[in-house]
Amino acid sequence: AQSVTQPDIHITVSEGASLELRCNYSYGATPYLFWYVQSPGQGLQLLLKYFSGDTLVQGIKGFEAEFKRSQSSFNLRKPSVHWSDAAEYFCAVGANPGTASKLTFGTGTRLQVTL
Amino acid sequence: NAGVTQTPKFQVLKTGQSMTLQCAQDMNHNSMYWYRQDPGMGLRLIYYSASEGTTDKGEVPNGYNVSRLNKREFSLRLESAAPSQTSVYFCASRRTGEETQYFGPGTRLLVL
Repeated sequence: AQSVTQPDIHITVSEGASLELRCNYSYGATPYLFWYVQSPGQGLQLLLKYFSGDTLVQGIKGFEAEFKRSQSSFNLRKPSVHWSDAAEYFCAVGANPGTASKLTFGTGTRLQVTL
Repeated sequence: NAGVTQTPKFQVLKTGQSMTLQCAQDMNHNSMYWYRQDPGMGLRLIYYSASEGTTDKGEVPNGYNVSRLNKREFSLRLESAAPSQTSVYFCASRRTGEETQYFGPGTRLLVL
């Protein structure tokens, strides 16, 4: 069964500082990996996804993530955080295409940005 | 194009009451999903529908039923609500051949 671990429950960074949110996954085949962001009281918005190819993927809002198969990781990064980035971030892994593509989510990392 | 819509936005129930959460999507997606979100537990899949006419259990189906009314609509029913079902419920949909799921804004349910 697939699983996702986000080891950091809560992270605080200063505006303008760099950010890295950790995500480790467990899946027997090639994973489909996602990062979603949830602003307070809102639904989930897709930031970026990895299916295959270049292991460094770019997303919206200046975010990027790098897939490292050897480390079973898909960490999310941003060079310079803005106050509006304060939100909860979820990493998720999906099954291969041709199935119902059920996603397994991590428990989330809440990002606080100090001014 | 509204994407995925959910009603109601917020609901308070008493233990033992029943209710149906509604979800609709206008993106012509085949697959639809219901998740619940609880603090410290991320999102957990309750039920999903790979296509119109089919439904399957997810990780936490107990206490829930679903109906895929048509291609657009996928409802979640609580027959006898319990305090443990206090949660935020999200509906999502996905186009066949793609892996990305698109989420609705959520329904906040409080069971007293």
